[in-house]
Amino acid sequence: AQKITQTQPGMFVQEKEAVTLDCTYDTSDQSYGLFWYKQPSSGEMIFLIYQGSYDEQNATEGRYSLNFQKARKSANLVISASQLGDSAMYFCAMREPNTGFQKLVFGTGTRLLVSP
Amino acid sequence: GAVVSQHPSWVICKSGTSVKIECRSLDFQATTMFWYRQFPKQSLMLMATSNEGSKATYEQGVEKDKFLINHASLTLSTLTVTSAHPEDSSFYICSARSTGGDGYTFGSGTRLTVV
Repeated sequence: AQKITQTQPGMFVQEKEAVTLDCTYDTSDQSYGLFWYKQPSSGEMIFLIYQGSYDEQNATEGRYSLNFQKARKSANLVISASQLGDSAMYFCAMREPNTGFQKLVFGTGTRLLVSP
Repeated sequence: GAVVSQHPSWVICKSGTSVKIECRSLDFQATTMFWYRQFPKQSLMLMATSNEGSKATYEQGVEKDKFLINHASLTLSTLTVTSAHPEDSSFYICSARSTGGDGYTFGSGTRLTVV
């Protein structure tokens, strides 16, 4: 069963505008972690932001913020003031609960294109 | 911050040969290493998890004898693709967990092409 769902295969945004990338997850565990990564064409995985299930505040890291709605099981990434360098693939991931290894499960990703 | 060095960044090999990919944690001890495979325009699929000094745990559908994983020390894990075939061509990337903290540190990935 799909545990992380990213319904937007591609998103377009103009430079300097904000964009929201959607992510929903499925778990019955109370303790879990949610991550967002950026993958440019070079292939490296760049960590953007983390949200713990018990965190009461939405996580923020510079221009990135995570809109965490626990009851809806959604963890959307908001990028403010988009830049051309933000064009990349974005993956939402969840640390699998109840696994001793703490595996990360990834969504299918959203390709973001920022236009001038 | 924590760094995982992955080599080679790209490799081309002939069908039937074996290829070894190394992931080395440079400034921390990686007790657990995850190996992922990514086909073009697709997500990262976990292949296996290795813990230092023990046998790797493979995900369902991953051939253990084809993808040999060794985690002999707290700073080095290797993935060997044995008897590679064109369908093994993919992007392979490792990710390490440190002995503390909530972080995952990824290697830069290896693009394997089997001809």
